[in-house]
Amino acid sequence: SQTIHQWPATLVQPVGSPLSLECTVEGTSNPNLYWYRQAAGRGLQLLFYSVGIGQISSEVPQNLSASRPQDRQFILSSKKLLLSDSGFYLCAWGVYSYNEQFFGPGTRLTVL
Amino acid sequence: DQQVKQNSPSLSVQEGRISILNCDYTNSMFDYFLWYKKYPAEGPTFLISISSIKDKNEDGRFTVFLNKSAKHLSLHIVPSQPGDSAVYFCAAYSGAGSYQLTFGKGTKLSVIP
Repeated sequence: SQTIHQWPATLVQPVGSPLSLECTVEGTSNPNLYWYRQAAGRGLQLLFYSVGIGQISSEVPQNLSASRPQDRQFILSSKKLLLSDSGFYLCAWGVYSYNEQFFGPGTRLTVL
Repeated sequence: DQQVKQNSPSLSVQEGRISILNCDYTNSMFDYFLWYKKYPAEGPTFLISISSIKDKNEDGRFTVFLNKSAKHLSLHIVPSQPGDSAVYFCAAYSGAGSYQLTFGKGTKLSVIP
């Protein structure tokens, strides 16, 4: 069966510090991978998606970047965090476009 | 601009009764809809979906209804159980080949024993 891992579960970072969140998927090959953010009182917003190694599509211009160095690994990064980067970050995977996406447990990021 | 709207932030229902969660959308290109359930500090879990070629899809206690002319869908849970207490998100794709799921803000369902 497929499983998706995210770490860390919670993170408190000062403004201006770098960020690296990691997501890995097991039990499937060549998945589509997604990064979402849920800010307080809002729905989930798609940040990036990837259909293959090294292929990244950005949906929202922002202070963040994503990379996919391996087939089942997706990384969300920032060089300098802003207060507005606080939120709940979710990684998801799917087999096809236009189909169910399956979410990881999420990372709660607080920028102070 | 919110393209998927869940206008009720919260809903309370007695155990055993029906829960009805509503979702409206504005983008006429949306043609595949999904419902997710989310517990606090966890990722959303996929519940049920419906394509625009159907007006109803059923899976156990969960039924989703789609009214394309009204751009409205609803999730019915019958009978409601305390374990159903969670935040429910409506989401939509616009067209085959689309990767972007557009989510509503969610409705918090509380099922009272």
